[in-house]
Amino acid sequence: DVKVTQSSRYLVKRTGEKVFLECVQDMDHENMFWYRQDPGLGLRLIYFSYDVKMKEKGDIPEGYSVSREKKERFSLILESASTNQTSMYLCASSFRTSGYNEQFFGPGTRLTVL
Amino acid sequence: GQQLNQSPQSMFIQEGEDVSMNCTSSSIFNTWLWYKQDPGEGPVLLIALYKAGELTSNGRLTAQFGITRKDSFLNISASIPSDVGIYFCAGRKGGSEKLVFGKGTKLTVNP
Repeated sequence: DVKVTQSSRYLVKRTGEKVFLECVQDMDHENMFWYRQDPGLGLRLIYFSYDVKMKEKGDIPEGYSVSREKKERFSLILESASTNQTSMYLCASSFRTSGYNEQFFGPGTRLTVL
Repeated sequence: GQQLNQSPQSMFIQEGEDVSMNCTSSSIFNTWLWYKQDPGEGPVLLIALYKAGELTSNGRLTAQFGITRKDSFLNISASIPSDVGIYFCAGRKGGSEKLVFGKGTKLTVNP
């Protein structure tokens, strides 16, 4: 079974703190994704990586950065957390092919910024 | 970013009833996916569709890839309480690694 794990299920941080969210997948997937999910707004792509050290901005990259030093690990960084970054963060991974590249999601991290 | 038009937004049904939901778009997609998300959890893949007209089942779930490639539907037969959750559709365009998502259908099943 594909397994995508995220470092924390729940996280509470203060405004201005630097926050690291970690995601690890065990299926040798090339692609990894970070989304945030908010009521009424659905899933929005923050950043996407298609290979080690490669990244591409999604729809809402402002206030976030990412790091992919190893194929299995993709980190989301909030350089200076703000209250409007309180959200559910979801990591996903997939193969990089022209055909069967379903995305598999982790359990999510519920981040609260006070 | 683009989003798919998913309907209905919510459904309240009795246990044992059948359910139908759909997603439409003005664009053509090469892949349609259906996910279910339980409260506080990440989405779980239910069904993947890769060919126009394809009809695929997974237990009590059946999904179809529309012939125009611009829509897909998901049916759940004989609903049970554990079907409660939010169902998302997602589509992938040719040449893209990214998915476009619907906003979800929230399903409530009354025992």
